[in-house]
This record gives sequence, C-alpha cells and structure tokens, in this order.
Amino acid sequence: AQRVTQPEKLLSVFKGAPVELKCNYSYSGSPELFWYVQYSRQRLQLLLRHISRESIKGFTADLNKGETSFHLKKPFAQEEDSAMYYCALIGDMRFGAGTRLTVKP
Amino acid sequence: ETGVTQTPRHLVMGMTNKKSLKCEQHLGHNAMYWYKQSAKKPLELMFVYSLEERVENNSVPSRFSPECPNSSHLFLHLHTLQPEDSALYLCASSRETRASKLGYEQYFGPGTRLTVT
Repeated sequence: AQRVTQPEKLLSVFKGAPVELKCNYSYSGSPELFWYVQYSRQRLQLLLRHISRESIKGFTADLNKGETSFHLKKPFAQEEDSAMYYCALIGDMRFGAGTRLTVKP
Repeated sequence: ETGVTQTPRHLVMGMTNKKSLKCEQHLGHNAMYWYKQSAKKPLELMFVYSLEERVENNSVPSRFSPECPNSSHLFLHLHTLQPEDSALYLCASSRETRASKLGYEQYFGPGTRLTVT
C-alpha cells in the first residue's frame, strides 16, 4: 500500500540546534515528494520539493530511495520555524499525519 | 481577492440539513481538490477535478457530492451528514496539464470548519 509516515507528532528543539523531521514513504513507482508547512493562523503552503533540490528558509530534504525516506533538515533552527510540517507523496496526493515543530528560545 | 478562497469559514449544521461549501481560485489553475482534515487522521484527499472533469474519488460517501462548474469554482454539497464528518475541509488548486501527473504545487484555501450536530 502507498503510504507516508511521519513518526513524530511533536518535536521540540532549542533555537540554534539542528532539527530533522522524519518522513518515510511506501510507493511502488518513482516517488515525487514535497514538504508542506502550516504556520500558526496561516494556510498550508509548499516548503520544498525533492525534484528541485533546493534549500528554502535553510531547510533541505534529500530523497533516499534505499531507505525510502525524505527527511527535512535544518542545521540551526529558529523560533519562526515553529509550525506544522507535512510530508506529501504527490503522485498519490497522500499526506503524512504531520509533525508539530516547536523551537524554544 | 487573490489565491484560493473558501466560504463559509465556519458552518454548523444538523444531520438532516443540506448545505454547500464553496471554493474559488484566482490563480488560473486547471486542477482543484477537496481534502478533509480531522483531528485524528492525516489530511485525506476526497476529490480531484482536472479541467472540470472528476479524476479522483477516494471512496467518499455519497452524502458528499462535489461540483465543478468551471475551472475557477468548486463546490462540495453536503446532505444527511454524520457527527464524524465534523472536520476542516480544505480546498486546493494547482496548475496541471493532461500530460503531467499532478506534480505541481498545490495552493490551499483557509478551510471551512464544519461541525455536524
């Protein structure tokens, strides 16, 4: 079955610490994965997509087909990164359950 | 107004009522989506319209009936809902062509918070 798993519902780090939000997927074809973010009182919006291999707001995500993972990373978290993060498998329009990141001062 | 708008933002309805949710996109997109977001489940895709044709219906109960009269408007007609249908209903749109596999960024609306009593 095609599935997206975000194992952590909540993640809390201190400002300046590295952060990694985990995403694992199960997909029979060639996956296309995105990360979406929802800041407080804002709508869901795209953060980055694996195909463009970009860094947005200091975040990067690498697709690891061997481990079927697409973890989101940032070397130095900022308080404004506090939000809900969703990993999404685009071909199937399937979203993970989301991880709420809190960055403490 | 720009982007994706949804009305109403909040809706309370009884199980015997009939109501409709409206979504409008001002982005020139060709694909529109309905999602259900409830407290205990991930974001669930309900329906997809591409160039005004329904291309996806994820085993959604018939008490939910979508309508896409043109590429800018999407409705979700509701009737005889159950309390477990209470959730946030999100609309999204994306640029899409028949040659693609819906791999474009989706732009989301603010959602309609539905409570079924």
